[in-house]
Amino acid sequence: DGGITQSPKYLFRKEGQNVTLSCEQNLNHDAMYWYRQDPGQGLRLIYYSQIVNDFQKGDIAEGYSVSREKKESFPLTVTSAQKNPTAFYLCASSMGQRYSNQPQHFGDGTRLSIL
Amino acid sequence: KQEVTQIPAALSVPEGENLVLNCSFTDSAIYNLQWFRQDPGKGLTSLLLIQSSQREQTSGRLNASLDKSSGRSTLYIAASQPGDSATYLCAVWMDSSYKLIFGSGTRLLVRP
Repeated sequence: DGGITQSPKYLFRKEGQNVTLSCEQNLNHDAMYWYRQDPGQGLRLIYYSQIVNDFQKGDIAEGYSVSREKKESFPLTVTSAQKNPTAFYLCASSMGQRYSNQPQHFGDGTRLSIL
Repeated sequence: KQEVTQIPAALSVPEGENLVLNCSFTDSAIYNLQWFRQDPGKGLTSLLLIQSSQREQTSGRLNASLDKSSGRSTLYIAASQPGDSATYLCAVWMDSSYKLIFGSGTRLLVRP
């Protein structure tokens, strides 16, 4: 079955540590996205990528970094510069902006907490 | 700046009731509006997508409408069931950007 796989499901970060969240899709989608969700709130965009080897900052990119070396993969690194990283992180993909009639597909998320 | 608002924030209804969830947005320059469902601790599942040129979309017991000029969308759920209990989020895709802008969701509880 095609879909988006996020790992790990739960992640704990120590002070001063960088951690990387994995996102893999086998939907052959061009575009991929990372969102952050805080309790009782909607999703906020961290980074997005419309094509391999290209990515753009979203609304809350500070303290985060990404790479897009392969079409299927879009890992997110939460750096020590992100002072409030505790949140639910969601990865999504879509066919791309040219296909505005197609929805985004989401993974099951990674919950990141501070030790 | 686009803002998306969902009212109410939470809703509790008895099984079998028909219900309406509301979504409003401040900038009418949208490509489409999407409704998603989120179960606790899970990702989002797409329910309905309405293109800016459309007025409504239907899927089973769900019907979503869009009034772009007034900046409003509604999600109508017919004959609600306990399995419909979840958080429902709406999001708009803007003409001028590559991103979805989300509301904060309506948390629905359908009581048996």
